Amino acid sequence: EVQLVESGGGLVQPGGSLRLSCTASGFTFSDYYMDWVRQAPGKGLEWVGRSRNKRDSYISEHAASVRGRFTISRDESQNSFYLQMNTLRIEDTAVYYCARASVGRHHDYWGPGTLVTVSS
Amino acid sequence: DFVMTQSPLSLPVTPGESASISCRSSQSLLHSNGNNYLNWYLQKPGQSPQLLIYLGSNRASGVPDRFSGSGSGTDFTLKISRVEAEDVGVYYCMQALQTAFIFGQGTRLEIK
Repeated sequence: EVQLVESGGGLVQPGGSLRLSCTASGFTFSDYYMDWVRQAPGKGLEWVGRSRNKRDSYISEHAASVRGRFTISRDESQNSFYLQMNTLRIEDTAVYYCARASVGRHHDYWGPGTLVTVSS
Repeated sequence: DFVMTQSPLSLPVTPGESASISCRSSQSLLHSNGNNYLNWYLQKPGQSPQLLIYLGSNRASGVPDRFSGSGSGTDFTLKISRVEAEDVGVYYCMQALQTAFIFGQGTRLEIK
């Protein structure tokens, strides 16, 4: 059974840093692209970034809104996927979901999400 | 940049009736390989999003055949026949032709 579980969310002050983790199980992690998607309170979904799979050299891509502040990485030995968030802003407050992306570029499995609150 | 526009934004439906949601992209989502890179997701209250339709018209595993997707290029439709109470939630379309993926604003389906 495919499972994705995020962790690492919490309350952080503006300008601070936080590292989110997503632990995957039930599938061959290195075969898949992995994405981060976020949802601000009461708002819609926003794609944050992705890590490509092993075949595509684990290249990471980031949305313009987070580029230069957020960094995506993964650790195949831990079946884990990370989002390092620096210089956090109030508008980064959201539930952050990790999602598996299949060949057709669709997100077929999602984690339950972890809440990040940026506030003083 | 892509802009994804959904309509309506709110959709009250009587159980047993059908419902349709439109999604329009500012640019064509038709790839040279013949696929339309348009996905539909449903986010039920208090839950993570779930995949309904991918590549415009392919139902995801476990999705009831009451859900169907159609369209090509810039105009797409999600149709739900025989709406049930469990279909309540917010429906999102998403362009997957180019990273960064862009979601529509969401359409909230409620039961009358």
